[in-house]
Amino acid sequence: QSALTQPASVSGSPGQSITISCTGTSSDVGGYNYVSWYQQHPGKAPKLMIYDVSNRPSGVSNRFSGSKSGNTASLTISGLQAEDEADYYCTSYSTSSTPSYVFGTGTKVTVL
Amino acid sequence: EVQLVESGGGLVQPGGSLRLSCAASGFTFSASWMGWVRQAPGKGPEWVANIKEDGSLKYYVDSVKGRFTISRDNAKNSLHLEMNSLRAEDTAVYYCAKHPNTYFDYWGQGTLVTVSS
Repeated sequence: QSALTQPASVSGSPGQSITISCTGTSSDVGGYNYVSWYQQHPGKAPKLMIYDVSNRPSGVSNRFSGSKSGNTASLTISGLQAEDEADYYCTSYSTSSTPSYVFGTGTKVTVL
Repeated sequence: EVQLVESGGGLVQPGGSLRLSCAASGFTFSASWMGWVRQAPGKGPEWVANIKEDGSLKYYVDSVKGRFTISRDNAKNSLHLEMNSLRAEDTAVYYCAKHPNTYFDYWGQGTLVTVSS
């Protein structure tokens, strides 16, 4: 149950687009369309932003989008805004041992 | 409005026990998988355990198998995590999360568990 790999940090200017990658294996990211993404501001609980690779929950801005290719999933934030500055984590269903869920290492997004 | 409120955290010595609870409201509790996710200080979240709607299926991360037990009381809309043989590495904020399918759509505010002598 190793953590999924994400870049430690990504930055961009307001209005720009950024993409965060999330790399796993064929037992998790590559094997299932069950990748979700969470945004976490300091001292707060994580908030669901994307589920099942590319679906947005009600109330989440359409500036957030998700995709997947092979063992790597991606979260794109377009039209970057100051309130997007936060930590972002991916998660995937995994069958590396018993059915389980594995989180990513996390990416700090900085709005310049 | 979905609300999840955790309780039961605190300071415990290594080898000790603690029971976490989560009070749920605003949705049909008995129709949803539920889970616990923890986050150690300065680290990313880690899935701990989840339980099926009727309690008939339970899964755990390898590091807590045999030490933690997840349970639920659908009559009281409550979720529990019984934690035994606690170790320093179990120190974390523990979140209760609604877990409809393959994701966690609502989270509580978390309860801090500190394992230290």
